[in-house]
Amino acid sequence: DAGVIQSPRHEVTEMGQEVTLRCKPISGHDYLFWYRQTMMRGLELLIYFNNNVPIDDSGMPEDRFSAKMPNASFSTLKIQPSEPRDSAVYFCASRVSSGGAGYTFGSGTRLTVV
Amino acid sequence: GQQLNQSPQSMFIQEGEDVSMNCTSSSIFNTWLWYKQDPGEGPVLLIALYKAGELTSNGRLTAQFGITRKDSFLNISASIPSDVGIYFCAGSDSNYQLIWGAGTKLIIKP
Repeated sequence: DAGVIQSPRHEVTEMGQEVTLRCKPISGHDYLFWYRQTMMRGLELLIYFNNNVPIDDSGMPEDRFSAKMPNASFSTLKIQPSEPRDSAVYFCASRVSSGGAGYTFGSGTRLTVV
Repeated sequence: GQQLNQSPQSMFIQEGEDVSMNCTSSSIFNTWLWYKQDPGEGPVLLIALYKAGELTSNGRLTAQFGITRKDSFLNISASIPSDVGIYFCAGSDSNYQLIWGAGTKLIIKP
């Protein structure tokens, strides 16, 4: 199994630009999570999906952030417009409902907004 | 809201030493998880605990779920250089959302 695949691994963009982060969960996993990690705040849950449906987006910082899951094998997290304070590592994780509480994380996207 | 207190924040140890870290919570969790994060990578699940009092080992790692369901510890025996990284505890509620500790950074002195 290839695990959770995220792209790109690194993204540097200018303030005001649109940024799209991509995630392919493990096949058969029915939960997908988007996290943000910073030194100051640690790991923060932004949003999670169950069977492609957004269940809880209360962690999304503001309207500039949006996430979609058009099918079971693909999800995007979009920031528009981006700001320097959005600089962080963004992780996607997935799990299967019958497999216990543990998630499998991707390797993350390191976003730098200048 | 729910919070996890993880300690210590960082540890400097000699290779071969045993390591112990713990997490406490003001809330009860159904599940406790321990993850390790290497630089530039996502957290990787080490041990999952599902029953109060459960003691589980994974190689040199041992973790226990507290009887009250409000705490857990992780021990690493005979540390080696590849144990370096950040260790996170996480508690899971009935919705399987995870509440994360702030992490324990393990550094092995040369």
